[in-house]
Amino acid sequence: AQKVTQAQTEISVVEKEDVTLDCVYETRDTTYYLFWYKQPPSGELVFLIRRNSFDEQNEISGRYSWNFQKSTSSFNFTITASQVVDSAVYFCALSEAIGGADGLTFGKGTHLIIQP
Amino acid sequence: DTGVSQDPRHKITKRGQNVTFRCDPISEHNRLYWYRQTLGQGPEFLTYFQNEAQLEKSRLLSDRFSAERPKGSFSTLEIQRTEQGDSAMYLCASSSPLRLGDEQYFGPGTRLTVT
Repeated sequence: AQKVTQAQTEISVVEKEDVTLDCVYETRDTTYYLFWYKQPPSGELVFLIRRNSFDEQNEISGRYSWNFQKSTSSFNFTITASQVVDSAVYFCALSEAIGGADGLTFGKGTHLIIQP
Repeated sequence: DTGVSQDPRHKITKRGQNVTFRCDPISEHNRLYWYRQTLGQGPEFLTYFQNEAQLEKSRLLSDRFSAERPKGSFSTLEIQRTEQGDSAMYLCASSSPLRLGDEQYFGPGTRLTVT
């Protein structure tokens, strides 16, 4: 069975600090997809990134970067120079089935608090 | 291009009543998903449609839950004989048919409170 673990329940940092959110996953499939979503206080889940299991290349998008390591089954998310607007709950998610027929399996989320 | 919409945004009902929620996906998306999110947890997958076909429904929480997508466009989720434990946020998402394992785009959710 697939599982996603986000061990950090809550992280609080001061603005401009860098912060890394951890995600560890379990799956028996060789083909799978990993995602990060942001849920701000307004409540709507916002898609951030998608990664397939064959692409271990790290990705950077502005202040956001993602480190995917199959050897440790991890897909960590780093925010550089954090801002107050980054405050939200961040979810890591996994999809095994081709076409997503099994839906996404989410972790419990990490509540990120950026203090001014 | 409008996003996923859900209606109503909030629903308060008394225990034992039936409720129905509606989801309108992004127009070109043929895949539609329902999730439930309780406080402090990640969304929990409930069911999945590809066009009008419900391809996965074993995750529906009980036989009181049912979903339809009659014409392959909007979908409804019905909960019969609601219980206090059904209080949660119900989320709908849709995804494109263009590639496998595509990202899902979520609506704002319907918050259900059962009193």
